[in-house]
Amino acid sequence: GGIITQTPKFLIGQEGQKLTLKCQQNFNHDTMYWYRQDSGKGLRLIYYSITENDLQKGDLSEGYDASREKKSSFSLTVTSAQKNEMAVFLCASSMGTGGYAEQFFGPGTRLTVL
Amino acid sequence: QQKVQQSPESLTVSEGAMASLNCTFSDGTSNNFRWYRQHSAKGLEVLVSIFSDGEKEEGRFTAHLNRANLHVSLHIREPQPSDSAVYLCAVSTYTNAYKVIFGKGTHLHVLP
Repeated sequence: GGIITQTPKFLIGQEGQKLTLKCQQNFNHDTMYWYRQDSGKGLRLIYYSITENDLQKGDLSEGYDASREKKSSFSLTVTSAQKNEMAVFLCASSMGTGGYAEQFFGPGTRLTVL
Repeated sequence: QQKVQQSPESLTVSEGAMASLNCTFSDGTSNNFRWYRQHSAKGLEVLVSIFSDGEKEEGRFTAHLNRANLHVSLHIREPQPSDSAVYLCAVSTYTNAYKVIFGKGTHLHVLP
């Protein structure tokens, strides 16, 4: 088994601030993902990474940057936080991108922008 | 663009009664389906994965897939109050398993 750790658990920011979320996995998975979950909207893919130093944009990449520093870690940066924004950011990982690859999820980072 | 819709939005059942959740999808080439459970303030936990028409059972959780009808369901046998959570349907294809489309979820409340 393995585990995905996300830090911080709660993130409170100010409008216009740059905010960074971190994710670590010890599954030794190649592929990692960042999703955004808004109330009533389901999960939407922001970025994913097939391997170390690879980055692929998802449907919601505008306003975000990502960095895959090493195989086990994947960071997401909100480039300019929007006032009153509230969402949960979920990190996931999987062995590969095809076949029946299952995504395993972390507990999430809850963002609130004042 | 694949559309995944779940119904009902909210479901309340008594402990021990069967709970049935539905998911419809729009892309008939989809062949990779999962049901996840999300407790409040927690990550997603996979319950059942199903890849071909028919039924797949994992403990108290059974998924039914009918690709011709673009429908996959989840049945929870003898639900308990601890099963109260949001249940998410996730759909993708074998060739693009990374491109998962999630439904908005069904809020299940199990009354003791």
